[in-house]
Amino acid sequence: EAEVAQSPRYKITEKSQAVAFWCDPISGHATLYWYRQILGQGPELLVQFQDESVVDDSQLPKDRFSAERLKGVDSTLKIQPAELGDSAMYLCASSLLRGEDTGELFFGEGSRLTVL
Amino acid sequence: AQTVTQSQPEMSVQEAETVTLSCTYDTSESDYYLFWYKQPPSRQMILVIRQEAYKQQNATENRFSVNFQKAAKSFSLKISDSQLGDAAMYFCAYVSPNQGGKLIFGQGTELSVKP
Repeated sequence: EAEVAQSPRYKITEKSQAVAFWCDPISGHATLYWYRQILGQGPELLVQFQDESVVDDSQLPKDRFSAERLKGVDSTLKIQPAELGDSAMYLCASSLLRGEDTGELFFGEGSRLTVL
Repeated sequence: AQTVTQSQPEMSVQEAETVTLSCTYDTSESDYYLFWYKQPPSRQMILVIRQEAYKQQNATENRFSVNFQKAAKSFSLKISDSQLGDAAMYFCAYVSPNQGGKLIFGQGTELSVKP
């Protein structure tokens, strides 16, 4: 069964360092999402791609976070420099449907970041 | 702005019993979708059940069913014949067709199942 792949599963870094997360969505899924989930809270959208274009990055802290999906397939989320408050689970999800459709989202297992 | 509220941070149920998880939401939209997602420990989040707002009939998926009260903006999840494998975080989520699939999640309810 096809799954959303994420790496690394766990990352421990010191504040002010750079960190990157990678996501490979299910093949053929046009829409890709990065969510941040702080412990004890629900996920919050950071950025949404449709193919290679950013659809929504209104909640992405652009002074330190960046995301790209250059060929419309896999995606990278980068944080530089990392801050203590960035400690969280970073979830990637993908969806088959485009535009305004509301298909099911398929999530990866997440990348847990700890900033010391 | 749309919001989703889950007022039960933790719930517990005895194996084989029934439990109901609560969710309320706030929106001015008339067309939207509601979901319950399950997040087992150290596993990926998976969809449990989905409800279209324009449908009056409550969705059902095997042991999982919802009570959708559109006027009250309430969307509860009932799990019947609870199993040990149902133990997980459960998230209620909302999306409007105008938002391109952007899910808005509640804070989650941690469900434990006692043998």
